[in-house]
Amino acid sequence: GAVVSQHPSRVICKSGTSVKIECRSLDFQATTMFWYRQFPKQSLMLMATSNEGSKATYEQGVEKDKFLINHASLTLSTLTVTSAHPEDSSFYICSARTGNDNEQFFGPGTRLTVL
Amino acid sequence: QKEVEQDPGPLSVPEGAIVSLNCTYSNSAFQYFMWYRQYSRKGPELLMYTYSSGNKEDGRFTAQVDKSSKYISLFIRDSQPSDSATYLCAMSGLVKTSYDKVIFGPGTSLSVIP
Repeated sequence: GAVVSQHPSRVICKSGTSVKIECRSLDFQATTMFWYRQFPKQSLMLMATSNEGSKATYEQGVEKDKFLINHASLTLSTLTVTSAHPEDSSFYICSARTGNDNEQFFGPGTRLTVL
Repeated sequence: QKEVEQDPGPLSVPEGAIVSLNCTYSNSAFQYFMWYRQYSRKGPELLMYTYSSGNKEDGRFTAQVDKSSKYISLFIRDSQPSDSATYLCAMSGLVKTSYDKVIFGPGTSLSVIP
């Protein structure tokens, strides 16, 4: 149980375009989802916390207008990278929390390359 | 001082060895302690999840938490080449408190040599 999927797994786009990444909890309802970013050989950096039906909470230094997060249902959250630039190229990973403890299950990640 | 410290390695061991991975932390509010395994270019996979102090065993994996020393460990018995990955420790305080954010260690890269 506790499977989280992400789509797409890999995306290459041109500078200036927008990219949407989907995160779904497949067999449970996730009241809270998280979006992380990971650079090569580095640990996960939390970008934002997304609660179903409310606005996302962004970490310091993360531009909310650039990284748009929508958590429309208990099983789906989306991250849209707007006007992507090469420095946005990274591995984006979502996770979902199942209940009132802090056990998080991660998606397989999306590798974004901006040319 | 970083909130969570972990030796990045790389750590290389022969197949069948016992592996010990460790993290230290500074925030006494942390209550949940996790270990994740991450293969190259994949998302992290939850291995062990413990609450407060004590030991937890699952197959070849044992997690230990010593809150008095602010020290957690993951032991892997009879290590296999398939265990070669980066291991991330993670921890957080109680949900819906100011320490609810999960903080990750930098990860330890492990190679198990056949």
